[in-house]
Amino acid sequence: AQTVTQSQPEMSVQEAETVTLSCTYDTSESDYYLFWYKQPPSRQMILVIRQEAYKQQNATENRFSVNFQKAAKSFSLKISDSQLGDAAMYFCAKETSGSRLTFGEGTQLTVNP
Amino acid sequence: ETGVTQTPRHLVMGMTNKKSLKCEQHLGHNAMYWYKQSAKKPLELMFVYSLEERVENNSVPSRFSPECPNSSHLFLHLHTLQPEDSALYLCASSQGGQPNEKLFFGSGTQLSVL
Repeated sequence: AQTVTQSQPEMSVQEAETVTLSCTYDTSESDYYLFWYKQPPSRQMILVIRQEAYKQQNATENRFSVNFQKAAKSFSLKISDSQLGDAAMYFCAKETSGSRLTFGEGTQLTVNP
Repeated sequence: ETGVTQTPRHLVMGMTNKKSLKCEQHLGHNAMYWYKQSAKKPLELMFVYSLEERVENNSVPSRFSPECPNSSHLFLHLHTLQPEDSALYLCASSQGGQPNEKLFFGSGTQLSVL
């Protein structure tokens, strides 16, 4: 079974600072998609960023960027200039052709004012 | 407006009850999903519907029965549940049903089985 591991159950960051959430995964495939989803207290999960494995360039969405290390099977999320509204549970997920998303267990991010 | 609406938001039921969860999407998507989110565990995919046909059933017990009458509505019928079925049940939709597509989620139904 494919696995996605988020080794940090909880993280905290000061407002306006930068934080990095880690994610590693297991795969034998060469092409796949990786995702970060955010789940705020409202419970509605929202896509933060998506990365296609064959693309070398790291994906970026405003203050959110990833550090994709394909050989190391690592996909970390960097949040710059953290805001109070960034406080949420963050889930890393992976898709491989022919199979549905596999999610990690999540990292609870606290943003301190 | 999330585009995906789930009702009820909370549900408490006994093990002998029968209840249904409802999901509606206003995004014109062709695929809808049920996920189970338990504490301290990754999200588990339960069912996938594409163009109103069930395309995936991930070994879910028969006490969970999905129904997709049209591409905008998805139900999860519950009967004789167990306490370990207590969880947050999330509905999602996507444009075409491909695994690499962006998923749009509802806010879930928090289910407690007594």
